[in-house]
Amino acid sequence: AQSVTQLDSQVPVFEEAPVELRCNYSSSVSVYLFWYVQYPNQGLQLLLKYLSGSTLVKGINGFEAEFNKSQTSFHLRKPSVHISDTAEYFCAVSRGTSYGKLTFGQGTILTVHP
Amino acid sequence: EAQVTQNPRYLITVTGKKLTVTCSQNMNHEYMSWYRQDPGLGLRQIYYSMNVEVTDKGDVPEGYKVSRKEKRNFPLILESPSPNQTSLYFCASGGQAYGYTFGSGTRLTVV
Repeated sequence: AQSVTQLDSQVPVFEEAPVELRCNYSSSVSVYLFWYVQYPNQGLQLLLKYLSGSTLVKGINGFEAEFNKSQTSFHLRKPSVHISDTAEYFCAVSRGTSYGKLTFGQGTILTVHP
Repeated sequence: EAQVTQNPRYLITVTGKKLTVTCSQNMNHEYMSWYRQDPGLGLRQIYYSMNVEVTDKGDVPEGYKVSRKEKRNFPLILESPSPNQTSLYFCASGGQAYGYTFGSGTRLTVV
């Protein structure tokens, strides 16, 4: 079985500051890893994904994440956040196959203050 | 435009009154899935479908039914809704390489 833990339920940050949203996973098999963003009253939008290859993955809106197999982590980072980045962020994991259940973390609410 | 369409967006119903939430995708994906989202719990899978006439339970299937008679449609059926099914529901389609595409969500309230 696979599981995901997002270590912070809420992260407040000031505009233009850097941010890191932490995600740890557990799985006995190879995995694919994802970060999704949910803006208020909207569905989930894919930010980035790690399938294989380079452990540093770049996504949309200036976000990036680094896959660390030894620490079973997939932390999301942005060097300078904007007010518009205020949203809930979900880390998700699935087995490394063509189709598979996405298992989500509990979510991290990022609030960017002016 | 590639999309997953859910209807309705909002629904208030009474305990025990059967309802169906529809989900349709235009990307010819074989894999579709239903999730519910509850505060502090993230998204949990209810049911999924690998293809037409192939469905299976996710983590929280109790109280729900699904059907997959056509590739593009994957309705979620609550035959006797209860207040603990009040939640935000998402339909998704796709596969690992694409990243899953999610619908806009259906906010269901059962009173």
